[in-house]
Amino acid sequence: SYELTQSPSVSVSPGQTARITCSGDALPKKYAYWYQQKSGQAPVLVIYEDSKRPSGIPERFSGSRSGTMATLTISGAQVEDEGDYYCYSTDSSGNNYVFGIGTKVTVL
Amino acid sequence: QITLKESGPTLVKPTQTLTLTCTFSGFSLSTRGEGVGWIRQPPGKALECLAIIYWDDDKRYSPSLKSRLAITKDTSRNQVVLTMTNMDPVDTATYYCAHRRRGSSSPFPYYFDFWGQGILVTVSS
Repeated sequence: SYELTQSPSVSVSPGQTARITCSGDALPKKYAYWYQQKSGQAPVLVIYEDSKRPSGIPERFSGSRSGTMATLTISGAQVEDEGDYYCYSTDSSGNNYVFGIGTKVTVL
Repeated sequence: QITLKESGPTLVKPTQTLTLTCTFSGFSLSTRGEGVGWIRQPPGKALECLAIIYWDDDKRYSPSLKSRLAITKDTSRNQVVLTMTNMDPVDTATYYCAHRRRGSSSPFPYYFDFWGQGILVTVSS
């Protein structure tokens, strides 16, 4: 079955830049999506179609995709950005959508 | 504004069948392009997509759980129902329903945008 690989954790100081990566064999041809999940809450979409921000998502969140890797960047991370971040994409057939294992982001 | 809310039992016994209902507003599943999915998350673990249903009654299931799952829709009530048979303690998780949106860029793939608050289902005797 298709898998998306994420690093388990990222730690940054407030104001620094956090980069979260997601790798998958089909990413050269498939969009990546990113979800933020704070403790005890439902996931929230922060990036769709690689680099688009939904309404209400701060500009410090940005996304990119190159080759087999997608990256979520939090520029000037804030304490309230702490949480788990999941990438989401599909395999080459477009029929099997999966989530990555998640990256825990700590800002302190 | 799109909202979704999950309802159902919070405790089920092993071997029982789980039935969860997602009640939504802000869109209609009779409208072309709309969809709703169910996703679960065991405590401390990652998200797992279980099933998706679209406006045209197209249904997609997790390959590993397909034999245990059924998803249906009631467009008149704005509800989507998920049933999962033969529940086991490993199925203990928070179950979410989410709106499935069609993308704006070719090839217009679908993704989840709005999520319900989730319901924690515990499987225990």
